[in-house]
Amino acid sequence: EVQLVQSGAEVKKPGESLKISCKGSGYSFTSYWIGWVRQMPGKGLEWMGIIYPGDSDTKYSPSFQGQVTISADKSISTAYLQWSSLKASDTAMYYCARHLSGWYFDYWGQGTLVTVSS
Amino acid sequence: EIVMTQSPATLSVSPGERATLSCRASQSVSSNLAWYQQKPGQAPRLLIYDASTRATGIPARFSGSGSGTEFTITISSLQSEDFAVYYCQQYNNGPRTFGQGTKVEIK
Repeated sequence: EVQLVQSGAEVKKPGESLKISCKGSGYSFTSYWIGWVRQMPGKGLEWMGIIYPGDSDTKYSPSFQGQVTISADKSISTAYLQWSSLKASDTAMYYCARHLSGWYFDYWGQGTLVTVSS
Repeated sequence: EIVMTQSPATLSVSPGERATLSCRASQSVSSNLAWYQQKPGQAPRLLIYDASTRATGIPARFSGSGSGTEFTITISSLQSEDFAVYYCQQYNNGPRTFGQGTKVEIK
């Protein structure tokens, strides 16, 4: 069974750094792209970027380029989304999802809620 | 970046009725379009890909159509579990942009 399990909710202050994770199981982690999607409170879905764990090829939406870093550790089948300096506007639910051939998302994680508040 | 526009923003439908949701792309995306369903407090779920192919386990009451810039998803007879928000997503080129969503609510 394909599963993506994300790390737990985070509460951070503006300016702090953060790295959230997404662990894949039940499939060949290095053979599928993994993507990240942001959902701000009460809003829609935003495609942030994707990574191919096999060779760490990464693509970002222009809206998120330079704002976040997507990475992966294939030895532990885990993808990451990180911020170096959080802002209040980063408060959102973040989903990871398996991105079939870089096209659509066929399996999703449960989401990680990130709250940034002073 | 391709902009996806969904209509209507909210659709009020009675159980058992048909619901038709629309999605328009700012430029042609061929048939490279997916639909997702999201219920409150849950992650999205893939319903349709390649504009008209149902994902594994998706009931036959869900159908997708369209190509180029105009797409629809139809729910033939709404069940209680179908009241949710629906998103389209293009994957033809560039960032894989989503529409803003259509909420299907009980009339």
